[in-house]
Amino acid sequence: ETGVTQTPRHLVMGMTNKKSLKCEQHLGHNAMYWYKQSAKKPLELMFVYSLEERVENNSVPSRFSPECPNSSHLFLHLHTLQPEDSALYLCASSQDLPGRGWGNQPQHFGDGTRLSIL
Amino acid sequence: QKEVEQDPGPLSVPEGAIVSLNCTYSNSAFQYFMWYRQYSRKGPELLMYTYSSGNKEDGRFTAQVDKSSKYISLFIRDSQPSDSATYLCAMIIPNTGNQFYFGTGTSLTVIP
Repeated sequence: ETGVTQTPRHLVMGMTNKKSLKCEQHLGHNAMYWYKQSAKKPLELMFVYSLEERVENNSVPSRFSPECPNSSHLFLHLHTLQPEDSALYLCASSQDLPGRGWGNQPQHFGDGTRLSIL
Repeated sequence: QKEVEQDPGPLSVPEGAIVSLNCTYSNSAFQYFMWYRQYSRKGPELLMYTYSSGNKEDGRFTAQVDKSSKYISLFIRDSQPSDSATYLCAMIIPNTGNQFYFGTGTSLTVIP
């Protein structure tokens, strides 16, 4: 149990569908992150939130839309995805951002959502 | 040039061997260093967390940081088949920015 829970674990969707990924952290952390992990590639940082405020958006296509209603929950809304979006989507949290307060503490990851686009 | 370089492997060793996993980095401002283990179909799990130079030991695992060479290592003693996983290094520039910097990961297989 890592303290970061992601649902669903697996998702198969068509290119025209709309779905959402959910992440919940039970660690009392202030920062939350979405990453994309593809085979043979490094982790790609997608979005960063600190205390529900988005602080980073790394040129991610608009078909990915994040939402952070409070510091414990993070969502990734998906619509009109492409086959190249098939990947493992990981959520992580840390005490703070590296640039703030207790931000030098490590990230903790969930087990990810394996997304397949048909 | 990538911020963090890590040989992707794959690396195969016999059970009981000592394993050495390495990362190099380009920015001398990195101060905090982490190693994660990722099993198939799971998320990365924090193994070791160290600050600045020196060694840190936890059971069969030793993390080593050489800031003068911009080089970090993870040693696994008496390797077990259960150590078969992908190992990722990560690092932070303190008091700066919003992100952690990751290596690509090294795939390790320990053969019984």
